[in-house]
Amino acid sequence: AQSVAQPEDQVNVAEGNPLTVKCTYSVSGNPYLFWYVQYPNRGLQFLLKYITGDNLVKGSYGFEAEFNKSQTSFHLKKPSALVSDSALYFCAVRVLVRYIFGTGTRLKVLA
Amino acid sequence: DAGVIQSPRHEVTEMGQEVTLRCKLISGHNSLFWYRQTMMRGLELLIYFNNNVPIDDSGMPEDRFSAKMPNASFSTLKIQPSEPRDSAVYFCASSLSTSGGADEQYFGPGTRLTVT
Repeated sequence: AQSVAQPEDQVNVAEGNPLTVKCTYSVSGNPYLFWYVQYPNRGLQFLLKYITGDNLVKGSYGFEAEFNKSQTSFHLKKPSALVSDSALYFCAVRVLVRYIFGTGTRLKVLA
Repeated sequence: DAGVIQSPRHEVTEMGQEVTLRCKLISGHNSLFWYRQTMMRGLELLIYFNNNVPIDDSGMPEDRFSAKMPNASFSTLKIQPSEPRDSAVYFCASSLSTSGGADEQYFGPGTRLTVT
């Protein structure tokens, strides 16, 4: 079965430190990969996507993600976390007409 | 642009009643998605339309749920009869779907449904 896994329910990081939110996938074919962020009482907002080409993708608010085909991973990263980055982050995969979202990782940036 | 518009923002209804959720796509977008979010089950894709045609409805829970696109810019999600386990936040999202398929989705603010 095709799936997306976000192994950490919550990630805590100190403000100013680098952050990583993990995502791995198990799909057939070549997927398109996405990251979304959800702030409280809001809908999801698009952050970045990987289609093809350079494995390092840059997105909104200083976030970037690294595609690793051999490890089937698409981890979200940011060099220096801000308190305002605290939110719920979703990894998503599109394969053909199927969209699959991960369960979400809550990021808490501590001042 | 106003973004994806959903109405109502909050709905409280009694078990057995019909509920209709509404969504207006971003102008020019041609794909429409309905999602349900709960603490227990996370974010679930219910149905996905492209150019008014349902493409993937495998997430629709049961026959009590139905979704339509009466025109290219508007969609409804109907639950009849509603049950307490339908209580959730329902999101609508739209995208401009190209042949490549790597299109990001734009989400509405959601409708919080409570069935008592």
